[in-house]
Amino acid sequence: RKEVEQDPGPFNVPEGATVAFNCTYSNSASQSFFWYRQDCRKEPKLLMSVYSSGNEDGRFTAQLNRASQYISLLIRDSKLSDSATYLCVVTSSGGSYIPTFGRGTSLIVHP
Amino acid sequence: DAMVIQNPRYQVTQFGKPVTLSCSQTLNHNVMYWYQQKSSQAPKLLFHYYDKDFNNEADTPDNFQSRRPNTSFCFLDIRSPGLGDAAMYLCATSRGDRVLNQPQHFGDGTRLSIL
Repeated sequence: RKEVEQDPGPFNVPEGATVAFNCTYSNSASQSFFWYRQDCRKEPKLLMSVYSSGNEDGRFTAQLNRASQYISLLIRDSKLSDSATYLCVVTSSGGSYIPTFGRGTSLIVHP
Repeated sequence: DAMVIQNPRYQVTQFGKPVTLSCSQTLNHNVMYWYQQKSSQAPKLLFHYYDKDFNNEADTPDNFQSRRPNTSFCFLDIRSPGLGDAAMYLCATSRGDRVLNQPQHFGDGTRLSIL
């Protein structure tokens, strides 16, 4: 089993739709969780950190479920500009500095 | 303003000809990473520095070396590039924290092509 798993998609949704991605992780000692966005042929950029209590940033909501060992990303009112690959990143207990990337979920928002 | 700067953006080299990629940062982060990313794949960690301590991933080929002469700069040396080394190379930094891992900041990447 891979350490961090994501459905590669693509998720093909119309503008205005709500879309959700999940990411599962295998290491129960994982402590830090992040969502990154990567555009084609560009570098990953931090979208949001994922906190235990869940957090929201505008149209984006991230949640953590430790019992089931997954994190989620919800995008409301999708825009064309949201089309990208969304990478899930998990880091084990503090001090290891070694983030593990999922392979990413591709989102295509169409008019 | 770019905070993690990679040079060059595009690099073309010949099969077997050594190449060096560079990364600099203005964030004063103590951890620096080098990743290799191929199309439709996750970034693959090659090695990282915590301050001056070098940490090599077990499956990183010996062909890949790195230097970090100071906090701000880090280099990736590919001694004898093969066709399979054509990829995007990403440099990232983070603030090392013993309690909670901090997010990484990535440079724009260097796209390496091998002729």
